[in-house]
Amino acid sequence: NAGVTQTPKFRILKIGQSMTLQCAQDMNHNYMYWYRQDPGMGLKLIYYSVGAGITDKGEVPNGYNVSRSTTEDFPLRLELAAPSQTSVYFCASISTTNEQFFGPGTRLTVL
Amino acid sequence: AQSVTQLGSHVSVSEGALVLLRCNYSSSVPPYLFWYVQYPNQGLQLLLKYTSAATLVKGINGFEAEFKKSETSFHLTKPSAHMSDAAEYFCAVREAQGGKLIFGQGTELSVKP
Repeated sequence: NAGVTQTPKFRILKIGQSMTLQCAQDMNHNYMYWYRQDPGMGLKLIYYSVGAGITDKGEVPNGYNVSRSTTEDFPLRLELAAPSQTSVYFCASISTTNEQFFGPGTRLTVL
Repeated sequence: AQSVTQLGSHVSVSEGALVLLRCNYSSSVPPYLFWYVQYPNQGLQLLLKYTSAATLVKGINGFEAEFKKSETSFHLTKPSAHMSDAAEYFCAVREAQGGKLIFGQGTELSVKP
């Protein structure tokens, strides 16, 4: 198993550009999450999904969108990048026995 | 809605001293509770979890935590701090019947020689 994979590892965007952060897991987990972590801060939940075709907002969903067309993939979309979205983004999945797996993170800078 | 509060954004202890990191939660249904550690520029590592079995949970690296329903707390302890324990620690809660996994704001642990 590759676990939770995220791409890209780093990205610099200009204000107003759009991009998709990719997240995939090969463990057949239903629960998947997207978080952002700002310097010196905890993780804030952006969106989560309890299964294919089901997504829900977390604590800080504004400016982001997600989709869950398959169990494996949970991409996060930024439509109009803003400097406030400069952060480290983590994707995670949880098994039915509460084993948790985090991706390595994507460091995004918006200039 | 569930929430997590970690008391103290920064805790400093001497090497060999007791480590106590505080976490209080709110949840309308029985929760699952977790402690994570994050070293600089790294991802999160699960230390331990409570999922409605034993209320005293032992984790990795000598850490343990006790679920106290009456106090809505899940404090993390370690009898004797090591220099290698210096890191950021996060408490998290997930409702047993739901999907949201919510994190506290984190506590930075410093260990003095």
